[in-house]
Formats: sequence, structure tokens, C-alpha cells
Amino acid sequence: QKEVEQNSGPLSVPEGAIASLNCTYSDRGSQSFFWYRQYSGKSPELIMFIYSNGDKEDGRFTAQLNKASQYVSLLIRDSQPSDSATYLCAVNKGFGNEKLTFGTGTRLTIIP
Amino acid sequence: EPEVTQTPSHQVTQMGQEVILRCVPISNHLYFYWYRQILGQKVEFLVSFYNNEISEKSEIFDDQFSVERPDGSNFTLKIRSTKLEDSAMYFCASREIATNEKLFFGSGTQLSVL
Repeated sequence: QKEVEQNSGPLSVPEGAIASLNCTYSDRGSQSFFWYRQYSGKSPELIMFIYSNGDKEDGRFTAQLNKASQYVSLLIRDSQPSDSATYLCAVNKGFGNEKLTFGTGTRLTIIP
Repeated sequence: EPEVTQTPSHQVTQMGQEVILRCVPISNHLYFYWYRQILGQKVEFLVSFYNNEISEKSEIFDDQFSVERPDGSNFTLKIRSTKLEDSAMYFCASREIATNEKLFFGSGTQLSVL
């Protein structure tokens, strides 16, 4: 079983719609969870982090965490063409990010 | 916004040669990292470094790899004898001691081993 699993996509979403990205993780001891955006050929950029069960909102982005189900998701509202990128889910066993374990990423395409 | 700077952006080397990848972390950051990403694959942790010593390393970071902070600004990754499978994008990252969440990544060095 992979440590962090994501659907590789591509996920195509019309402009203005909600994009929903999902991630599951295998280690129940994971404490902190991150979503990174990576444009092709570029470095990862932190979008959101979440530590507690429930929802966390930041502008158009909402991260959702369910530790019982070992599930993390990212919702992007009012999707824009500039949101087209690969979204990486990453987890860590401790608070902070000494060693992040990444998923393979979901490629998101926003269709104008 | 401050940046993590990596040089060179591309490095081509022959198998068996030594390479040194260089990074200048953000000036007030104290935790430093190297990650790598083989083309089409996930980002993988290599090593973390704090207070002039390795704090954690992955199984990838074997005896062929070493890190050093030779002065107050640079952070380097050395691969002593490169292998074909070392070909990847290598990312340096850093974070502030007081801010755990945000890890700043550099733009990466694309290493090609021929």
C-alpha cells in the first residue's frame, strides 16, 4: 500500500466550477497534512496545511481532514485557468515538516 | 517574497563523476532540506539539516550523498559517484524556526547523469 495515494488524473473542471481533489494516507500516526501546487517544470508551492479534523478555509481553497478515514481533500471554488497544475498531497508524522511524504499528485485542468 | 536560490539550474555529468548542487536558503531560516523528483514521479525526501548536523535522512541518502553548510549562507548536496538513477530534479528547501508550516522550495537543479 502506498503511503500517500492520489488519483493521478487528469481531472478536468470547467472554469468557475468547484474542483475536488482527494488523498488517502496509510500511516495513522500522521499528524500534519499539506497541499502543494506544482506547475510543470516548477517547484512545489504550499497552498494549504491542516492539522485537525474538519474544514479549513483560505480564500477559494478549503482543506478537509478526516483522520478516522485517513482522508484529506482540497476543494477549489470558482476555478480559474491559472489553477491548472498538479496538486500534491503531503503528510508528516509530526507537527511541522521535517520529513514530508508526498503523493504522486493529481493533474488538474481548468477548461475555459 | 524572499527566495531559496539554487545553482546551477541544469547539470549534466558523466556516470561516476562527483557533483555538487548548491543552494542559498532564505537568510533567517534555520532548517534546510533536500528533496528530489525523478521525472514523472513523486517528490521524495532526502535529508534535513539543522544546527550544522543532519537531523533526518531517508534510505535514498546513502553513503554516496553528503550535505554541508560551508559558510553562513550556502547549503550543498554532494553526490560522490553519480549513477544513472540519480538523474532527477533536486529541490532545496528551507523554513524558519518559528514557522513550521511553510516550507520554501528553490526552483531546483535538473541533474542529468549520462
